Amino acid sequence: AQSVTQLDSQVPVFEEAPVELRCNYSSSVSVYLFWYVQYPNQGLQLLLKYLSGSTLVESINGFEAEFNKSQTSFHLRKPSVHISDTAEYFCAVSEVGRGAQKLVFGQGTRLTINP
Amino acid sequence: NAGVTQTPKFQVLKTGQSMTLQCAQDMNHNSMYWYRQDPGMGLRLIYYSASEGTTDKGEVPNGYNVSRLNKREFSLRLESAAPSQTSVYFCASSLDGDYGYTFGSGTRLTVV
Repeated sequence: AQSVTQLDSQVPVFEEAPVELRCNYSSSVSVYLFWYVQYPNQGLQLLLKYLSGSTLVESINGFEAEFNKSQTSFHLRKPSVHISDTAEYFCAVSEVGRGAQKLVFGQGTRLTINP
Repeated sequence: NAGVTQTPKFQVLKTGQSMTLQCAQDMNHNSMYWYRQDPGMGLRLIYYSASEGTTDKGEVPNGYNVSRLNKREFSLRLESAAPSQTSVYFCASSLDGDYGYTFGSGTRLTVV
């Protein structure tokens, strides 16, 4: 079984400042790693994912995450945030494989951007 | 292309009432899922379906039943609602494990 821990429930930052949202996972098997974003009163949207290969993955809106196998981490970073990045962010893992993959989610981190 | 559609968006039930949450996807995805979202607990898997005609329990299945009516539709039923089932329910679908999920917009359910 897998588990995911998001170390911060809330992260307030000022606009244009850098941000890091921390995620650690536990698993006895190989995993896929995901970050999802949830804007207010909406469903979750896939932000980025790590499947294999390069340990640094990027999204189209400037976020990046790095898979660190030795530290079992998948932290999400952005060098300069915008007001529109205000949302809740969820880290998730699933076992490597085909077919239905049960995602296990962390508790979420609420990112608040202040002007 | 609507993606994943959930109905209703909001519902208030009295304790003991029953209801069915509907979910449909138009992306020809094989797998479908039901999650509940509660503050501070992230999303927890209730049931999932790997293909038409198959369903399996997730982490928190008690008090729920599901039906995979066809490849497009996956419904969640509460037979006798309890206040502990007050939550936001999300349906999701996936083509395969490494593609990630597509989520619906959710159903906010309150049981009084």
